[in-house]
Amino acid sequence: RKEVEQDPGPFNVPEGATVAFNCTYSNSASQSFFWYRQDCRKEPKLLMSVYSSGNEDGRFTAQLNRASQYISLLIRDSKLSDSATYLCVVNEGSARQLTFGSGTQLTVLP
Amino acid sequence: GAGVSQSPSNKVTEKGKDVELRCDPISGHTALYWYRQRLGQGLEFLIYFQGNSAPDKSGLPSDRFSAERTGESVSTLTIQRTQQEDSAVYLCASSHLAAQYNEQFFGPGTRLTVL
Repeated sequence: RKEVEQDPGPFNVPEGATVAFNCTYSNSASQSFFWYRQDCRKEPKLLMSVYSSGNEDGRFTAQLNRASQYISLLIRDSKLSDSATYLCVVNEGSARQLTFGSGTQLTVLP
Repeated sequence: GAGVSQSPSNKVTEKGKDVELRCDPISGHTALYWYRQRLGQGLEFLIYFQGNSAPDKSGLPSDRFSAERTGESVSTLTIQRTQQEDSAVYLCASSHLAAQYNEQFFGPGTRLTVL
């Protein structure tokens, strides 16, 4: 079983749509959670950290459910520029390295 | 401010040759990480530096891989006797050790092709 699991997609949505991505993680000792985005042939860029109480940054909302070991990302009013691969990322326990999901591919269509 | 930089951006080498990849982290970031991303796959952790020490080398795939860091700044990843399966993008990231959530910031990567 993968340590961080995501639906690979692809998700193809029209501009203006709301889209949600889900992610589950296996290590209950995980402490920090993130969403990164990765454009084709580019490095991952931090989109947002995910806090226990959930957090929002403009059109993006992240939620964490520790009991279910589940993380979500909601994108509202999607833009063409949101097209990318979204990576669910976990920092497990005392380890410093990040563990990455394989990513969910999003294409926003005009 | 300046982000993480890596060089070279692309490297093509022949099987059996040694390569060195360089990473300059964000100034003041005490933690530095190397990851590898094979084509169409997720990121795999290789090694982590805290200052100039490497407390976690658990991701290095074989003894052909080594890394060092000097001056709590620049890091070099060396791959000896390269094999075709080493072809990947090698990504470096840095973070502030005191950061509560360990947000890591990535460089643009070195795309290594072993012929």
